[in-house]
Amino acid sequence: EIVMTQSPATLSVSPGERATLSCRASQSVSSNLAWYQQKPGQAPRLLIYGTSTRATGIPARFSGSGSGTEFSLTISSLQSEDFAVYYCQHYSNWPTFGQGTKVEIK
Amino acid sequence: QVQLVESGGGVVQPGRSLRLSCAASGFTFSKYGMNWVRQAPGKGLEWVSIISYDGSNKYYGDSVKGRFTISRDNSKNTVYLQMNSLRAEDTAVYYCAKDRGYSYVCDYWGQGTVVTVSS
Repeated sequence: EIVMTQSPATLSVSPGERATLSCRASQSVSSNLAWYQQKPGQAPRLLIYGTSTRATGIPARFSGSGSGTEFSLTISSLQSEDFAVYYCQHYSNWPTFGQGTKVEIK
Repeated sequence: QVQLVESGGGVVQPGRSLRLSCAASGFTFSKYGMNWVRQAPGKGLEWVSIISYDGSNKYYGDSVKGRFTISRDNSKNTVYLQMNSLRAEDTAVYYCAKDRGYSYVCDYWGQGTVVTVSS
C-alpha cells in the first residue's frame, strides 16, 4: 500500500493570503494524484485530479503541482469559504488518502 | 445536476449484516464506475470498493475484502454495498461517489449514510 503523508497537519492563514499544502507519497504515483476539500458535516469535493487539472467549477485560485512522490496544492488568495480540511489521494493502484491538512483562520 | 442519495445506514450489532443503497440521477449512470468511500468518526477517508460501469469488475480494500460486496442495477440507476460480518471498526459515514470514468477519481459524492456497529 502506498502511504500518503500530508503536511502540515494544520495551517493557519489569514484571508487573502496564499496557502501551500504538501503531500508526499511513499513511492512514485506518477501524476495520479487528486485533491479534495471537505467542510464539517459535508462530503468531500473534488478540486484537482491528474496533479494539476481543476475539476469542473473549481476556481482558478486553486492549483496543483508536482510529480512522482512530491505534490502540492496552492490556494493563491484564501477566501472565507476555503477554510476546510484538504485531502490528497493517489490512484496509481489501490487508492489511498493522506490524513488531511486543516486550513484554519489565523 | 448530478445527485447521489445514499440510504440503508443504521445501528447494527457486530456480526450482523446491512445493505447500503445509492440512487443516482443527473448523468448516464450506466457509463461510469461507482465507488464507496468511508470515514470513521473524526478520521480521514478510506476507499472501500469500486465497480465498473457494467458491473464486470469489482475491487475491494483489504479491510473489507471477503465481507463486503458491491453491485449495481443499471436499470434502477442504483449501486449497492452489501456488508456482512460487521465489526466495530466498520463504524463510519459511508459515501457513494461517482467515478470520472473508472479511475478512482470521484467527481461527485453523496451526502453519506451513517453505519454504527455496536452491541
